[in-house]
Amino acid sequence: KQEVTQIPAALSVPEGENLVLNCSFTDSAIYNLQWFRQDPGKGLTSLLLIQSSQREQTSGRLNASLDKSSGRSTLYIAASQPGDSATYLCAGLYNTDKLIFGTGTRLQVFP
Amino acid sequence: DGGITQSPKYLFRKEGQNVTLSCEQNLNHDAMYWYRQDPGQGLRLIYYSQIVNDFQKGDIAEGYSVSREKKESFPLTVTSAQKNPTAFYLCALEGAWNQPQHFGDGTRLSIL
Repeated sequence: KQEVTQIPAALSVPEGENLVLNCSFTDSAIYNLQWFRQDPGKGLTSLLLIQSSQREQTSGRLNASLDKSSGRSTLYIAASQPGDSATYLCAGLYNTDKLIFGTGTRLQVFP
Repeated sequence: DGGITQSPKYLFRKEGQNVTLSCEQNLNHDAMYWYRQDPGQGLRLIYYSQIVNDFQKGDIAEGYSVSREKKESFPLTVTSAQKNPTAFYLCALEGAWNQPQHFGDGTRLSIL
């Protein structure tokens, strides 16, 4: 069964810290992995997408990596800000053409 | 996302009632998706449509129905057969990589 897991479920850090969010997937036959941000009561905003042939993608202070052999992806947030507070979800695309979502990590960055 | 609109933002259902959630888009995308989000769980796919007048069941289609009469619209009906409808419902469009990428702001459905 294809499953995506995110640990921890919640994280609270002071402003300015560099942090890493983790995403694990059980099936390494992944086509790509996408990271989303979700603000309370809102929909998802796509942040980064890593193809299976790629190792990482960067956008501003965000860097996402993908290691298929170990079944892991990480989202690195540099110099965190209170505006980064949100829930972050990862989702893997498999040959069923359906995204398998993780349960998310709720991040709080306090001033 | 300005190109995809879900309404209403909040919806209440009485016992035995069918309710319909609206999803409209003006981005001219072919594929549209409906997801359900419950606390502590990932998003789960209810239905998706890749073309007008065609749609497929997702992982949790029981108790739901959809239609795709127009490219711009993909309404979801939560029927009385859905015994646990309380959830946050999200509509999505495909993105550049032909997978769900653009999401609406969701509809929160509760039971009266």
